[in-house]
Amino acid sequence: AQSVSQHNHHVILSEAASLELGCNYSYGGTVNLFWYVQYPGQHLQLLLKYFSGDPLVKGIKGFEAEFIKSKFSFNLRKPSVQWSDTAEYFCAVNADTGFQKLVFGTGTRLLVSP
Amino acid sequence: ETGVTQTPRHLVMGMTNKKSLKCEQHLGHNAMYWYKQSAKKPLELMFVYSLEERVENNSVPSRFSPECPNSSHLFLHLHTLQPEDSALYLCASSQDVGGAGYGDNEQFFGPGTRLTVL
Repeated sequence: AQSVSQHNHHVILSEAASLELGCNYSYGGTVNLFWYVQYPGQHLQLLLKYFSGDPLVKGIKGFEAEFIKSKFSFNLRKPSVQWSDTAEYFCAVNADTGFQKLVFGTGTRLLVSP
Repeated sequence: ETGVTQTPRHLVMGMTNKKSLKCEQHLGHNAMYWYKQSAKKPLELMFVYSLEERVENNSVPSRFSPECPNSSHLFLHLHTLQPEDSALYLCASSQDVGGAGYGDNEQFFGPGTRLTVL
C-alpha cells in the first residue's frame, strides 16, 4: 500500500531561520504531490503542488518544494520563516491513476518563535 | 459563500443517535470527498464521489452512509457510532476525479465538522 512519511513531527524555529520539512513516499509510478498547510483555527489550504514538468515548484508565501524521483522525496523549504508560518504542514501523494486518492502524511507541527 | 462549506462545525452525539453532516461546494466541481482526521493519525480518505456517483468506499464501516444528491452537495449520515469515531470530518472537492497523470486537479477542503461520540 502507498504510504507517506513525514519525519519531523514537531519543529521549533526562530524567525528568519531556514526551514526544510521532509516527505517521502513509497510508490514508484506516476505521482502527483502536494503540500497542504493548516493554520491554527483554519482549514487545510494548498501550499504547492507538483503534477509534471519542473521538479522545483514554488508555492504561496515563499515556500518551495523539490521533487526528487530517485529519492521518492518531496521536501518543503523556505529560506526564512516568519512567526505567521506557525502551522501544521501535511504532505500528500496521489499515485492512483484512476482517481484522486490522496494519501497524507501524519503532519509536522511548526512553531516559529518571534 | 465561497469555496467548500460544512455544517455543523461541531457535533456531539450519543452512540444511539442518528445525525448527518453536510458539505456544500460553490466551485462548480464535479468530484467530492469525505476524509476523517483522527488525533495522531494521518488524514484518511473515506469516500469519493464523481458526478453524484460513488467511485470509492475506502473500507468504511456501514455506520457511515454517504449521500450525494447533486454535484454541489455531499452528506455523511451517521448512526450507531462508537466513541472511536470521534474525529474531525473533512469534506473536499476537485474539478474532476481524475488521478495521477490526469493533469492539474487539486482538492479544496472545507473547515471540517468536529464530531464527538459519547
